[in-house]
Amino acid sequence: GAVVSQHPSWVICKSGTSVKIECRSLDFQATTMFWYRQFPKQSLMLMATSNEGSKATYEQGVEKDKFLINHASLTLSTLTVTSAHPEDSSFYICSARDRSVQVSGNTIYFGEGSWLTVV
Amino acid sequence: GEDVEQSLFLSVREGDSSVINCTYTDSSSTYLYWYKQEPGAGLQLLTYIFSNMDMKQDQRLTVLLNKKDKHLSLRIADTQTGDSAIYFCAELYFNKFYFGSGTKLNVKP
Repeated sequence: GAVVSQHPSWVICKSGTSVKIECRSLDFQATTMFWYRQFPKQSLMLMATSNEGSKATYEQGVEKDKFLINHASLTLSTLTVTSAHPEDSSFYICSARDRSVQVSGNTIYFGEGSWLTVV
Repeated sequence: GEDVEQSLFLSVREGDSSVINCTYTDSSSTYLYWYKQEPGAGLQLLTYIFSNMDMKQDQRLTVLLNKKDKHLSLRIADTQTGDSAIYFCAELYFNKFYFGSGTKLNVKP
């Protein structure tokens, strides 16, 4: 099946620094990718929709200046957490849809997720 | 498609059946999903059902969908200790997933 890869899987950064997480579709092209966040013992919440070649669309309550999303190619979206603080510590996971396949139940794939700890 | 609810905990004995329930609000959802998440890990797709289906069976897993009541359930037959995890239902709405709160399944030996 199609694979979505995230990097890094784990990252620890100091408070006030920025950290970038990559989401790559390895064997398909994705015009749209999605970023989710999961706080400990909570559900996954959609943060934003990443659109190739255009600006990301953010969900209500998500700061676009803090969570910078760039979707520069059909296989790569990046999420940059700027000026990270301990409350940004979370599990970040992306999903991507294979644009060449008609939408069905199993054409949207999740990455393995990235654990961010801000100290 | 934004409001998906699940009960938080379920405890069963090994060998019993587990039934995890989920309700959703948006009848426009095309697909409904069940994902499994083990501690510290990502999401594992278990199964999904198209919104015009009532039931789907896949080995030990049975999904029932009551579209009128907007109720989705996952039955795990012969539950094993390895099934202990958090189970999320999710609805797909315009390519976006909206997840329930997750049900923590505890399987006692």
